[in-house]
Amino acid sequence: GNSVTQMEGPVTLSEEAFLTINCTYTATGYPSLFWYVQYPGEGLQLLLKATKADDKGSNKGFEATYRKETTSFHLEKGSVQVSDSAVYFCALSDGYGQNFVFGPGTRLSVLP
Amino acid sequence: GAVVSQHPSWVICKSGTSVKIECRSLDFQATTMFWYRQFPKQSLMLMATSNEGSKATYEQGVEKDKFLINHASLTLSTLTVTSAHPEDSSFYICSASPQPKGWREQYFGPGTRLTVT
Repeated sequence: GNSVTQMEGPVTLSEEAFLTINCTYTATGYPSLFWYVQYPGEGLQLLLKATKADDKGSNKGFEATYRKETTSFHLEKGSVQVSDSAVYFCALSDGYGQNFVFGPGTRLSVLP
Repeated sequence: GAVVSQHPSWVICKSGTSVKIECRSLDFQATTMFWYRQFPKQSLMLMATSNEGSKATYEQGVEKDKFLINHASLTLSTLTVTSAHPEDSSFYICSASPQPKGWREQYFGPGTRLTVT
């Protein structure tokens, strides 16, 4: 079945540092890929998405590129802020937007 | 657009009682809704998929009689935890998909934190 693997956290960075959270997936067909963010005590918010190979999703300074050859969708941000502290989930869905599979989540803490 | 709400956001109930959680799509019709459970510091686990007007499809290991799901309209799905026990304490998150097929995204609600004492 489909699966998503993320780098284990927690990740602790200083403000303005560069962020990379690795995500790799196993899936059949042509999945869509997502990054969701969960702030403490809240639900999930879609951060960015990519629906086909080589697509780049971007939002709020975060970027991720759908790499089919390496089955990866790594999340990057050039300069993190304290407000970026949250848990980040990589996820995929099938071609119909269903059968979501989430990675285990990576907790990010950004220190001032 | 594409807002999903949940009610209540936080509920405390006594062991043995039942509690109902509502999930509503506010500005679109949700043919399909999903219910997830999230344990502390863990990822989301899909519990069931509900399609409007039909019975929910439960994931393996999820008790149908304990977690009753009703999707009576295109904007409302409910999850009822029956005879709740402390081990049912968790964060429950719903999501909604506007179309049964051809749509590549789910919209997530803010979650409901259930504490069973």
